[in-house]
Amino acid sequence: DAGVTQSPTHLIKTRGQQVTLRCSPKSGHDTVSWYQQALGQGPQFIFQYYEEEERQRGNFPDRFSGHQFPNYSSELNVNALLLGDSALYLCASSLFEGYTFGSGTRLTVV
Amino acid sequence: QKEVEQNSGPLSVPEGAIASLNCTYSDRGSQSFFWYRQYSGKSPELIMSIYSNGDKEDGRFTAQLNKASQYVSLLIRDSQPSDSATYLCAVTRPGGFKTIFGAGTRLFVKA
Repeated sequence: DAGVTQSPTHLIKTRGQQVTLRCSPKSGHDTVSWYQQALGQGPQFIFQYYEEEERQRGNFPDRFSGHQFPNYSSELNVNALLLGDSALYLCASSLFEGYTFGSGTRLTVV
Repeated sequence: QKEVEQNSGPLSVPEGAIASLNCTYSDRGSQSFFWYRQYSGKSPELIMSIYSNGDKEDGRFTAQLNKASQYVSLLIRDSQPSDSATYLCAVTRPGGFKTIFGAGTRLFVKA
């Protein structure tokens, strides 16, 4: 049973560029949440998708957007990248409560 | 005031001892509470969930919840060097859709 799959694992982008991160949830899970984790910090909630709709959003600017597809997979898009966007981006899937996390995408903005 | 607060540590305990990790939360209406373990360079892994006041035991782990005091704790009995990791407390806000994480407590178990 495959767990949560994220791609790519690592990414280097230049300030001002745009990036798309991808996530396939664990089989049977219908909800996808995205988190940003800076070094030495806990994960920060970006947003949650359920039934292809953004159900809840954290304190992130509109540069952060997402999408969920009919097969429950999800994308996180970040526009106009800033140096401060450098972090580990975690995708977490769930059915009821309690997350299963993917291995994350390490984004470096230079 | 942070929504979920944890002592950042590091907490150092000898092998075989009990490790006690604590967490407080600010939203009294919070309904679900979780402990995740995160090894260095890895993603978080769910180890315990608790929803009602009292204790919940799973193997060497015991989660404790006191909603009146807005306090959650995790006890690890017979600590092993493999338990050395960062432990994240997570709380689901009222409504059930947004889960907030603390900054984590680093635990070191000395052999």
